[in-house]
Amino acid sequence: RKEVEQDPGPFNVPEGATVAFNCTYSNSASQSFFWYRQDCRKEPKLLMSVYSSGNEDGRFTAQLNRASQYISLLIRDSKLSDSATYLCVVNSEAAGNKLTFGGGTRVLVKP
Amino acid sequence: SQTIHQWPATLVQPVGSPLSLECTVEGTSNPNLYWYRQAAGRGLQLLFYSVGIGQISSEVPQNLSASRPQDRQFILSSKKLLLSDSGFYLCAWGATGSGAQYFGPGTRLTVL
Repeated sequence: RKEVEQDPGPFNVPEGATVAFNCTYSNSASQSFFWYRQDCRKEPKLLMSVYSSGNEDGRFTAQLNRASQYISLLIRDSKLSDSATYLCVVNSEAAGNKLTFGGGTRVLVKP
Repeated sequence: SQTIHQWPATLVQPVGSPLSLECTVEGTSNPNLYWYRQAAGRGLQLLFYSVGIGQISSEVPQNLSASRPQDRQFILSSKKLLLSDSGFYLCAWGATGSGAQYFGPGTRLTVL
């Protein structure tokens, strides 16, 4: 079983619609959770951290369910510029603060 | 503000040739530094990380090595490249105790 699993997609989303997707993680001791965004042939960029109480940043909402060990990301009012691969990231080891990246969920927003 | 630089941006090397990729960070002290590789269509694989000068931890056995000669400099090397070394190499930094990591622009390496 992979440490961090994501549906690779693609999720084809009409512009203006809402899309949501999850990732699951296997290490119950994980303490830090993040969503990164990666555009084609570019470096990953931090989108948002995920807090236990859930958090929102503009059109993006992240939720953490520790009991079921999954993280979700919801994008409202999708824009064409939201087309990217979204990486779910979990800290896997406190020493050195090592992060484990999921394989990514590809989102394509279409007019 | 902190910035991270990597060079070169792209590199085409023959099998068996040496490799040296450099990463430097500005605007922070004593960062944790990381080297990742992303093969085409694949996820990120952690190769090395460093919590201080001269301190390198290797994550996967391979023909690559890393060094940290200065606080904000991280170098990835190989004596002889293999075809399987092709990929997108990303350097990242993170503050000690902080969760998030921040990536440089990456080096796209093709070994022929």
